Amino acid sequence: KQEVTQIPAALSVPEGENLVLNCSFTDSAIYNLQWFRQDPGKGLTSLLLIQSSQREQTSGRLNASLDKSSGRSTLYIAASQPGDSATYLCAVNNAGGTSYGKLTFGQGTILTVHP
Amino acid sequence: DAGVTQSPTHLIKTRGQQVTLRCSPKSGHDTVSWYQQALGQGPQFIFQYYEEEERQRGNFPDRFSGHQFPNYSSELNVNALLLGDSALYLCASSPLGTGYYEQYFGPGTRLTVT
Repeated sequence: KQEVTQIPAALSVPEGENLVLNCSFTDSAIYNLQWFRQDPGKGLTSLLLIQSSQREQTSGRLNASLDKSSGRSTLYIAASQPGDSATYLCAVNNAGGTSYGKLTFGQGTILTVHP
Repeated sequence: DAGVTQSPTHLIKTRGQQVTLRCSPKSGHDTVSWYQQALGQGPQFIFQYYEEEERQRGNFPDRFSGHQFPNYSSELNVNALLLGDSALYLCASSPLGTGYYEQYFGPGTRLTVT
């Protein structure tokens, strides 16, 4: 059974800092991994998707890396802004068997960027 | 291009009642998945529909059922509501019938059971 853990559970930083969010998973037979952003009471916005054959993906100030063999992914946010304040969720999509196309989520990291 | 849409936005029901939530996938997507997100938790997979059939199911009781229509839209039905069913219900769609591709989420339906 796939389990996903995110560390830290919460993070508060001053504006302008670079920061790293961590995600670990127990079953390395993943097809891809997605990072999402969720604003309070809202749906999920996909930030980055990394296929299992890739090592990293970049979008603007965001960079996500994947080390499938060690079961880890990191989301790096450069030059953080107050508008980045949200909950960040990591989700893995397992390949094959009965886990076809199902996302398993971590509990999320609540990020607060203060001016 | 409209993204994933869900209705209603909010819903309040009483224990024991039944509820139906609706989802329209993103244009060009044919696979719909449903997730339940309790407060402070990550979303939990309920089930996934493709070609009007339930393809896989998470660890949810039979009180949770669904349907997919020929136009790929989907419904989630919950019978005999419990207080613990209070949550944000999220619908996600993906293309090409595999679910392996990037999943796009709707805004969710907030269900409160009193």
